[in-house]
Amino acid sequence: AQTVTQSQPEMSVQEAETVTLSCTYDTSESDYYLFWYKQPPSRQMILVIRQEAYKQQNATENRFSVNFQKAAKSFSLKISDSQLGDAAMYFCAYRSGSRLTFGEGTQLTVNP
Amino acid sequence: DAMVIQNPRYQVTQFGKPVTLSCSQTLNHNVMYWYQQKSSQAPKLLFHYYDKDFNNEADTPDNFQSRRPNTSFCFLDIRSPGLGDAAMYLCATSRDRLAGTDTQYFGPGTRLTVL
Repeated sequence: AQTVTQSQPEMSVQEAETVTLSCTYDTSESDYYLFWYKQPPSRQMILVIRQEAYKQQNATENRFSVNFQKAAKSFSLKISDSQLGDAAMYFCAYRSGSRLTFGEGTQLTVNP
Repeated sequence: DAMVIQNPRYQVTQFGKPVTLSCSQTLNHNVMYWYQQKSSQAPKLLFHYYDKDFNNEADTPDNFQSRRPNTSFCFLDIRSPGLGDAAMYLCATSRDRLAGTDTQYFGPGTRLTVL
């Protein structure tokens, strides 16, 4: 079974600074997909960024980028120019077939 | 706007009293999922429907059932809620289930309290 580990239960960053959230996973599969989801307080979970395992190029979406290290099974999220609206719980997720497996989440606080 | 809608947003039930949570979608997606998310924990998949094909997770308790009468609606039935079933229940949809890049769209969730 696949497992996803987020070793940072909480992180904080100053507004306009950069923060990196860590995620590692364990799998024996070669074809899979990785995601970062954001869950603001009392609001619905939304997709931040996704990465196909077969692609070596790291995914980027505006201020959000990933560092995907397949051999190390690592998938970190970098948020540049942090904004107050980035404050949320961030979940790393692994998908193989129909099943999406989430990590325990990292609560991000953005300080003004 | 196309979206995933969950009703009610907050549900209070009594221990052992059956409760039904509702999810609807305007995305016309083939797949609908139900997740359970307990406080400060990761969402856990309970089951999903691919069209009318029901797929239960191996560790989902029998107390949890689901119905999908049509493409747009999916229901989560908890036959005899226990205190341990208090959680946020998330509904999600996706266009397909085998295309890994296919995004899952989540509803706002229903927070269930069991008294």
